[in-house]
Parts: sequence; structure tokens; C-alpha cells
Amino acid sequence: DTEVTQTPKHLVMGMTNKKSLKCEQHMGHRAMYWYKQKAKKPPELMFVYSYEKLSINESVPSRFSPECPNSSLLNLHLHALQPEDSALYLCASSIRTGLGTEAFFGQGTRLTVV
Amino acid sequence: EDQVTQSPEALRLQEGESSSLNCSYTVSGLRGLFWYRQDPGKGPEFLFTLYSAGEEKEKERLKATLTKKESFLHITAPKPEDSATYLCAVQGMNTGFQKLVFGTGTRLLVSP
Repeated sequence: DTEVTQTPKHLVMGMTNKKSLKCEQHMGHRAMYWYKQKAKKPPELMFVYSYEKLSINESVPSRFSPECPNSSLLNLHLHALQPEDSALYLCASSIRTGLGTEAFFGQGTRLTVV
Repeated sequence: EDQVTQSPEALRLQEGESSSLNCSYTVSGLRGLFWYRQDPGKGPEFLFTLYSAGEEKEKERLKATLTKKESFLHITAPKPEDSATYLCAVQGMNTGFQKLVFGTGTRLLVSP
């Protein structure tokens, strides 16, 4: 089973709202990631968690706040977003953060900021 | 800086018409080259990992190969359900943790 589950599938939020995206995996993976993907563009890395600790922040604006409560869960808290933040947000996991290990992606959350 | 270039940008095939997708890469110390398939509005689906030049992997109608500068995804006798965007990604020594650098993908359309 290589399933990464993301909720919600779709989210529409206003620029003053606070919302959260959730991601869950039960594969025993110890590395989890958030990617952002705009239409017809490749995924771009936002954050990496390794053993529940933030190890990479790709200079993401503070209106995006990641959280890893335990080894199976990953959240992305959203606040005061801009319309240009509308995108497909992808969660992924891998068995570890060692080099050369493949990442498995969830189906994504389609976010629209109005 | 690690870079990935995929060609063609889009490819239209008739069902049964075999072809190849190209992924050219520049990376400092390749640690892995990954192929993913992505359907519209969905997350990428993992297909293959290649680690060293000369390596080949197969899955149903797909075969991935790797040289020191590029990778090919060969599609044999494709079917309409193979229509998707195929993404290539690399991980190099300099990227440390699991940071994938993606190409812009090839959009494949297979007509019946």
C-alpha cells in the first residue's frame, strides 16, 4: 500500500480566512513533504520534514505554516493568502530522506483563494 | 544547479503507435532519476527509479532507460489510458535531503 491521503480535495478560501490542509500516511515513512503545483508547471518543493522535524523550508512565505504532529500526519496551516497562492498542494512521503529514495504523492488539495 | 529538460512538450499518438519521451539532465552526482505519471488534477504517480547509467526498468507498456546525460521513457503499443503527463525528476548530491528537481513534463495523448 503506497497511499498518501490528503484532505480536503478542494478548498475555496477568502484572503482573510484561516484554513488547514491535512495529509496522512500509514506506510511507516519518516520523511514527509509539501509541494506546490501551478497549472501546467512541475511541482515545486515547499517544506521537508524528517523524523517529525522541519529540515527544509524553501523560502516559503510565513502565511504558510507547516506542522508535523507525529510520524503519520502533516498539516499545512494557511493564513492571509493571496489569489496567486491558488494552486494544487501536494503532500508526499518517502521511507527516509536518504538520497535516491522515491517519494509517493497524495492526490492533492486544489486551493482557490478569492 | 541541477536542471531537467523534457521533450517533446506534447505528443499525440495513435493507439498502438510506439514512441519515446526524453529527459535530459544536468546534476552534480546523480543519486536517482525518477519517472512519474500525472493525470489532470491528481498527484504524480510513481513509476520508476533509475540509479546508474545502463540501468533499465519495465512496467507493462513502459520501459525506462538511463545514460549519463539523459533518460528515455519508451512506450510500446500505447493505449488511450496511457494518456497523461509524464514527469521526470532528479536528485543530486548537492540537494541533500529528498529534494526532487522536476522537468516540465511531456503531455501524452493517445487516440483510439
